[in-house]
Amino acid sequence: KQEVTQIPAALSVPEGENLVLNCSFTDSAIYNLQWFRQDPGKGLTSLLLIQSSQREQTSGRLNASLDKSSGRSTLYIAASQPGDSATYLCAVRHQGGSEKLVFGKGTKLTVNP
Amino acid sequence: NAGVTQTPKFRILKIGQSMTLQCTQDMNHNYMYWYRQDPGMGLKLIYYSVGAGITDKGEVPNGYNVSRSTTEDFPLRLELAAPSQTSVYFCASSPSANYGYTFGSGTRLTVV
Repeated sequence: KQEVTQIPAALSVPEGENLVLNCSFTDSAIYNLQWFRQDPGKGLTSLLLIQSSQREQTSGRLNASLDKSSGRSTLYIAASQPGDSATYLCAVRHQGGSEKLVFGKGTKLTVNP
Repeated sequence: NAGVTQTPKFRILKIGQSMTLQCTQDMNHNYMYWYRQDPGMGLKLIYYSVGAGITDKGEVPNGYNVSRSTTEDFPLRLELAAPSQTSVYFCASSPSANYGYTFGSGTRLTVV
């Protein structure tokens, strides 16, 4: 059974700091990995999608890496801003059957001005 | 392009009542999913569909039913609502396994 773990569960940093969020998964049979952002009481916004054959993807101040063989992904946020405060969810698209996304429980990020 | 549209956004149900959560996508996606999100528990898959006329159970299907008569619509039916079904429900779609998901904005349901 695919399981996704995100560490830490919560993170508080001062504005301007570079930070890394971690995601690990137990089964390497995936199509891709997707990072989402969720603001309180809101839906999920897709940030980055990494295919299983790729090593990383970048969008603005965000960079996500994928090491499928070790079952790990990181989301790097450069020069953090208070507006980055949200919960960040990692999800892997599992191969076979439903080809569903399996989610971690998220990392709640607070960027302090 | 509206993406994935969910209605209603909020609903309060009494125990034993029934309702249908609507989900519509205009992107001609084959795959559609229903998840529920409970505090501290992450998102759990309720039901999914890989195309019109095809549906299957996810991890937590009890108390729910779905149908997929068209590519665009994937309604979720709650029969005999229970307090344990108080949650936020998200619908999502995807064109194929090699693409990411697009999520709707969610339905916040409270059963009292």
